[in-house]
Amino acid sequence: DTEVTQTPKHLVMGMTNKKSLKCEQHMGHRAMYWYKQKAKKPPELMFVYSYEKLSINESVPSRFSPECPNSSLLNLHLHALQPEDSALYLCASSQGMKSNQPQHFGDGTRLSIL
Amino acid sequence: GENVEQHPSTLSVQEGDSAVIKCTYSDSASNYFPWYKQELGKRPQLIIDIRSNVGEKKDQRIAVTLNKTAKHFSLHITETQPEDSAVYFCAARAAGNKLTFGGGTRVLVKP
Repeated sequence: DTEVTQTPKHLVMGMTNKKSLKCEQHMGHRAMYWYKQKAKKPPELMFVYSYEKLSINESVPSRFSPECPNSSLLNLHLHALQPEDSALYLCASSQGMKSNQPQHFGDGTRLSIL
Repeated sequence: GENVEQHPSTLSVQEGDSAVIKCTYSDSASNYFPWYKQELGKRPQLIIDIRSNVGEKKDQRIAVTLNKTAKHFSLHITETQPEDSAVYFCAARAAGNKLTFGGGTRVLVKP
């Protein structure tokens, strides 16, 4: 059973819609991540939060807006997405930012942009 | 930045045989190397990891070796079973806890 929970599991939205993806973990982890994964490709890092502060933004377009309301929650707000943004969006968490602290992934949200 | 190359991209083995996947990395500062297994439609699942101060690590049928000098690391699966069929990703992490993934290896274990 995954300890990183993502909702919704599937999302279909139009290019003018606004929606949010949610991620929750109750392992006491202080680092949380958003990844984007296209079919048959590896996950690509989008954002990293450490102690609820944005630590890394991998030059992601502003139509993706992350938010970390508290240490257990991570949101990804979506607005005016393009068809090429259709992908699996994975959330991950780790105990902290040290190199010996593994990242654990949620099941992802499969996003389709019409 | 870090660059991780993974080979082969596909691997077909007979049940019971061994499978080996190899990765190379570019950043000598990378010090942590996890391996993830991803079944179709599922999340990447951490199966084993190794830190740069260790040369080899084993967990039942799975082992990972690391050669820091050559900047490559490998995953070894022995006595393969059909449930080992999946896509395997290697990754390397340098400072800042940023993981860079290899391109993935699709493993098919034929019964």
